[in-house]
Amino acid sequence: AAGVIQSPRHLIKEKRETATLKCYPIPRHDTVYWYQQGPGQDPQFLISFYEKMQSDKGSIPDRFSAQQFSDYHSELNMSSLELGDSALYFCASSFRTSGSQTQYFGPGTRLLVL
Amino acid sequence: DQQVKQNSPSLSVQEGRISILNCDYTNSMFDYFLWYKKYPAEGPTFLISISSIKDKNEDGRFTVFLNKSAKHLSLHIVPSQPGDSAVYFCAASAGSGGYQKVTFGTGTKLQVIP
Repeated sequence: AAGVIQSPRHLIKEKRETATLKCYPIPRHDTVYWYQQGPGQDPQFLISFYEKMQSDKGSIPDRFSAQQFSDYHSELNMSSLELGDSALYFCASSFRTSGSQTQYFGPGTRLLVL
Repeated sequence: DQQVKQNSPSLSVQEGRISILNCDYTNSMFDYFLWYKKYPAEGPTFLISISSIKDKNEDGRFTVFLNKSAKHLSLHIVPSQPGDSAVYFCAASAGSGGYQKVTFGTGTKLQVIP
């Protein structure tokens, strides 16, 4: 079965640079979630979108923005990168319209900020 | 404020025996609970879930028990296999509609010894 796709899988940036992470949800899923997992930590919710509208917001820095497009893929834009932004970034998707609350996660993007 | 807690950071079990992973939560608004399995540098893999209207859900070797009054849930794996060795995250969400963020516990590292 098709899973959540994230690209790139690995990304190296320098401080103050920008990065764009992409997420392609499971086909027919209408909701996308972004999580950040720092070293030795549990995943922390950043932001979510349902039907291209922001539906919930967590601990996402103002330097980050995200959107969901008409084909339901989502992009997380990160500007003025800091060393502390180095983490695993996960995207998850769910099929909210069906009433399902199960989120399926992608493999993650490992971001390293030097 | 850790709303979902897994008090055992690690657990070792002999192959063939039962593995019991525990999780406690504090937010009484949580109404949907999930268990994810995670390998290093990979995304969480959904295992099993339970709605707050149930007290037990079973899927093959995996059974999740929910005690709402105690705000406690557990995952039982029987029989345990070496391939089950991974970090297990308990997660919870609040609200119907399937769009609410998932709050993760801190994880329990399970080692199944052959």
